[in-house]
Amino acid sequence: ETGVTQTPRHLVMGMTNKKSLKCEQHLGHNAMYWYKQSAKKPLELMFVYSLEERVENNSVPSRFSPECPNSSHLFLHLHTLQPEDSALYLCASSQADRDSYEQYFGPGTRLTVT
Amino acid sequence: DQQVKQNSPSLSVQEGRISILNCDYTNSMFDYFLWYKKYPAEGPTFLISISSIKDKNEDGRFTVFLNKSAKHLSLHIVPSQPGDSAVYFCAASSGGGADGLTFGKGTHLIIQP
Repeated sequence: ETGVTQTPRHLVMGMTNKKSLKCEQHLGHNAMYWYKQSAKKPLELMFVYSLEERVENNSVPSRFSPECPNSSHLFLHLHTLQPEDSALYLCASSQADRDSYEQYFGPGTRLTVT
Repeated sequence: DQQVKQNSPSLSVQEGRISILNCDYTNSMFDYFLWYKKYPAEGPTFLISISSIKDKNEDGRFTVFLNKSAKHLSLHIVPSQPGDSAVYFCAASSGGGADGLTFGKGTHLIIQP
C-alpha cells in the first residue's frame, strides 16, 4: 500500500449503530487529520493529531470520537449519528515541520446515515 | 463566514487554451496557499503551493499567482488538457506544522475537446 488509505470506502449506518472509520498513512508522516465534506460545503477540519496527541478539536460533536494509537493509524469512532452527518470523511497526513504545509489525502469514506 | 472563497462553481475551457481559476481570502494571517485537484471517488491531490513571501510559483503547466494586497490568488493551467478536468480546491494555512487547512468550495473545471 502507498500513500494514505481509508476503509471502508462506503458505509451506511442507522442512527443507533456504532461504527469506526480507519485511516492508515504509509508516508512516514507525524501528523494526521480528519476532514468532513458535506454537499455544497467546503472541506471542514474536524481533528488534528500531531505526534499522536490531539492538538485541535474544531468544536465537533461528541458523537464523533477520534483515536490515534500511533503515527500511522487514525480512527474515527461514530455513534448515535444524525442524518445530517452524512458526508464524505477524508483523512490526511503531513510532516509537521515548521516549513511543511502540504497535506496528503486518502480517498475518503462516503458515509450515509439512515 | 467563509475565509477562503472560490466564487466560480464551474469553468469550461477549450483544450489547448489557458484555464484560470480564482480564489479570494479574508484572513490576513494566512501565509501559505495551496491548490488541490480532485477527481470523482478520489481524495484531493496536492498540485502546487505558494508562500506569502512570493508572488508567483511555477511547476510545468501550472502557475500560481498571489496578490497579497488584494487577498487574491489564481491558478493558471496552460495549455489545458482533457485530463485537467476535475474539481480544483484552493486552501490556506496560517501556521504550518500540524495546522489544519482552510478550504474553498472548489471550482469544477471542464476541458472541452
